[in-house]
Amino acid sequence: GENVEQHPSTLSVQEGDSAVIKCTYSDSASNYFPWYKQELGKGPQLIIDIRSNVGEKKDQRIAVTLNKTAKHFSLHITETQPEDSAVYFCAAPRGSYKLIFGSGTRLLVRP
Amino acid sequence: DSGVTQTPKHLITATGQRVTLRCSPRSGDLSVYWYQQSLDQGLQFLIQYYNGEERAKGNILERFSAQQFPDLHSELNLSSLELGDSALYFCASSPNLETRAEAFFGQGTRLTVV
Repeated sequence: GENVEQHPSTLSVQEGDSAVIKCTYSDSASNYFPWYKQELGKGPQLIIDIRSNVGEKKDQRIAVTLNKTAKHFSLHITETQPEDSAVYFCAAPRGSYKLIFGSGTRLLVRP
Repeated sequence: DSGVTQTPKHLITATGQRVTLRCSPRSGDLSVYWYQQSLDQGLQFLIQYYNGEERAKGNILERFSAQQFPDLHSELNLSSLELGDSALYFCASSPNLETRAEAFFGQGTRLTVV
């Protein structure tokens, strides 16, 4: 199928703790995996992406890991801050032209 | 600011009506995507255009149509509107044809059908 499964649907963490969101995909040909952050009333914003020729990519407090064998990838946010509270979406290509999104994770960082 | 401009930001209309949503992609981007996001739902792919041509279709209703013009802006036309069409409609653009490239989203148009 075309599904990208994303878990958990909601995540509440204490400020300073880490948050991990996981996605699985079905198309073994997929080779590009972006993560988007959507704040209330705004459009999704690309925060990090990874291509299938690497297993991990980091950008300050955000990292993404990819396991092509298991067909899953994860977003890791360390030292969470209240401004990290948002809905996060993973995505994976389906064929050449479609980007399929996960169902989203609502992250709440408690001060 | 992603560089993708969508107008209008808000739209309230009655059932049975027809509306047009407009998207201006980032400068130089040839590919435009339309997505629908219902309340507390994920992003559902509707349709993609590349340099004026339709390239991919998702679960787009027959009442909906889109086009991309020579200046690369795109319009999404929604007709015979129903209450269930109320949603956020996002446009995204990327420089390439394939989705293996960064896609940048606009701020969306919130459509309310009453």
